[in-house]
Amino acid sequence: AQSVTQLDSQVPVFEEAPVELRCNYSSSVSVYLFWYVQYPNQGLQLLLKYLSGSTLVESINGFEAEFNKSQTSFHLRKPSVHISDTAEYFCAVMTRGGTASKLTFGTGTRLQVTL
Amino acid sequence: KAGVTQTPRYLIKTRGQQVTLSCSPISGHRSVSWYQQTPGQGLQFLFEYFSETQRNKGNFPGRFSGRQFSNSRSEMNVSTLELGDSALYLCASSLLGTHGGNEQFFGPGTRLTVL
Repeated sequence: AQSVTQLDSQVPVFEEAPVELRCNYSSSVSVYLFWYVQYPNQGLQLLLKYLSGSTLVESINGFEAEFNKSQTSFHLRKPSVHISDTAEYFCAVMTRGGTASKLTFGTGTRLQVTL
Repeated sequence: KAGVTQTPRYLIKTRGQQVTLSCSPISGHRSVSWYQQTPGQGLQFLFEYFSETQRNKGNFPGRFSGRQFSNSRSEMNVSTLELGDSALYLCASSLLGTHGGNEQFFGPGTRLTVL
């Protein structure tokens, strides 16, 4: 069984400040890791993913996440946030090597960016 | 290329009724997964279909069922609706749905309200 823990349900931050959204996972098998973003009244959009290779992955809009196997973490960071980054962020895992594509999600972190 | 579409976007039903939700995946995608999103339980996996076969199933009662057609379009059905079934139902499609961390593309969701 797998589980994902997002310790912070809400993270308030001022515009242009750095932010880190924490994600820890638990799994008895190897996993793929994902961050999704959800804007109000919309579905989920993939922000970035870790499959293999470099443990640091980046998105096109300035977010990055680092896979830390020893700490079973996949924290999301951005050095300078913008008002438009206000949204709900979900960390998710998928079993590596299976034939099904079930995603197990964390409970989400609401990022609130203010001026 | 058109994204994942879900119909209807909003639905209001009363307890005891049944409902059918529809999902059209991205052209060429063969895997369709369904998720339920509620404030209390977060995002939970319902089931996945691949080439018209249910390949994975979450921990939901038998009132929740689904199917996939030869054109990969999928429907999910909920019978004997309960108040707790009020949720945002998200559909996601992926190219193969196999291991390899295939990216899942989400639709905007169907907001079901049970009165």
